[in-house]
Amino acid sequence: DAGVIQSPRHEVTEMGQEVTLRCKPISGHDYLFWYRQTMMRGLELLIYFNNNVPIDDSGMPEDRFSAKMPNASFSTLKIQPSEPRDSAVYFCASRPGQGYEQYFGPGTRLTVT
Amino acid sequence: AQKITQTQPGMFVQEKEAVTLDCTYDTSDQSYGLFWYKQPSSGEMIFLIYQGSYDEQNATEGRYSLNFQKARKSANLVISASQLGDSAMYFCAMREVTGANSKLTFGKGITLSVRP
Repeated sequence: DAGVIQSPRHEVTEMGQEVTLRCKPISGHDYLFWYRQTMMRGLELLIYFNNNVPIDDSGMPEDRFSAKMPNASFSTLKIQPSEPRDSAVYFCASRPGQGYEQYFGPGTRLTVT
Repeated sequence: AQKITQTQPGMFVQEKEAVTLDCTYDTSDQSYGLFWYKQPSSGEMIFLIYQGSYDEQNATEGRYSLNFQKARKSANLVISASQLGDSAMYFCAMREVTGANSKLTFGKGITLSVRP
């Protein structure tokens, strides 16, 4: 299996621009998670989906952030407009319905200047 | 209150020796799970070991074992026979299940450096 795939791996953008991060979970996994990692706040859960339905988005920082999962094999995390404080590594993870281990993607390093 | 506490600022261990990384947690649930992940400098998150709250035996996975003390709410990771490749950041995490909600909360992490 290819594992969780994230794109792009690195993104540099200017403040105010729209940023879209993409994730392809492992085939057959029912759960998909978006995390953000910064030095100050550590690893934070932003939102997660079960069978493409958002279950908990309480970690989404503000309305500038939105996430979608239009089908079982694709999810996006969008930031519009982006701000320098959004600079972080964004991880996507997935897990099977009956399992407990989350499989992480390689992450997207976002830099907003 | 923090759900997962990892207070060791940084740990050093000599190659081939054992090391214990501390983790305490806070929950009022009876059913929960505890995890350890490794994050090397390359950035990926690697699952190491899992312990369920009802598991009577401490979990082991190769050189990794989890010292689970339920009454103390601690879930320390023990790495035996340290290797240079063990140098990384280590995260403790807890999964709580509340209704339909099932998510991991991570600690701040501990940096481990293995000396040759």
